[in-house]
Amino acid sequence: KAGVTQTPRYLIKTRGQQVTLSCSPISGHRSVSWYQQTPGQGLQFLFEYFSETQRNKGNFPGRFSGRQFSNSRSEMNVSTLELGDSALYLCASSFGVVGNTEAFFGQGTRLTVV
Amino acid sequence: AQTVTQSQPEMSVQEAETVTLSCTYDTSENNYYLFWYKQPPSRQMILVIRQEAYKQQNATENRFSVNFQKAAKSFSLKISDSQLGDTAMYFCAFTPNYGGSQGNLIFGKGTKLSVKP
Repeated sequence: KAGVTQTPRYLIKTRGQQVTLSCSPISGHRSVSWYQQTPGQGLQFLFEYFSETQRNKGNFPGRFSGRQFSNSRSEMNVSTLELGDSALYLCASSFGVVGNTEAFFGQGTRLTVV
Repeated sequence: AQTVTQSQPEMSVQEAETVTLSCTYDTSENNYYLFWYKQPPSRQMILVIRQEAYKQQNATENRFSVNFQKAAKSFSLKISDSQLGDTAMYFCAFTPNYGGSQGNLIFGKGTKLSVKP
């Protein structure tokens, strides 16, 4: 079956703009979580959605937001982009609670803010 | 705060040899999961192995095995018969097993492993 699909794969935006990233989970998976990966900070948890509800949120400013649709697809939005938002954004889907069930990752969206 | 530490930023190993990657973690929880993920240059994170904290037996998956020392909060990964395809970043990760933890994997900074022919 198809894996986790993230679109777009690459994105270049200007400081101050906003951006929306998309994640389509594996069919049947209801949990989608997002991570930011940078060389300095490593992998950091952004938020997790399950059945359209945000269940957990990491320590990121309010400029980072997300949502999940009824078909489990998820989007994350970053408003008023800053240079420090340049990163690889990874999405992971799982059938249930991570740990009890395996989290499968997408290939990520590489965001560059100039 | 829960943290995961990987003390080896880079390691190399000859093909067919064995290598061990280190990971320590800090938590006050008694029930949790530990993972090793592999991230090759393609960027896609792949689960290598998973360990449940309440299980005494060390997890194994083919050439990959762990040494889980709960009291010492240590979780090392041993790769036997290293192959060129094992070249990747390896991340140790932790998640507590209680209601508020859903989706919250805590990662170490990673170890870059190079397998040399």
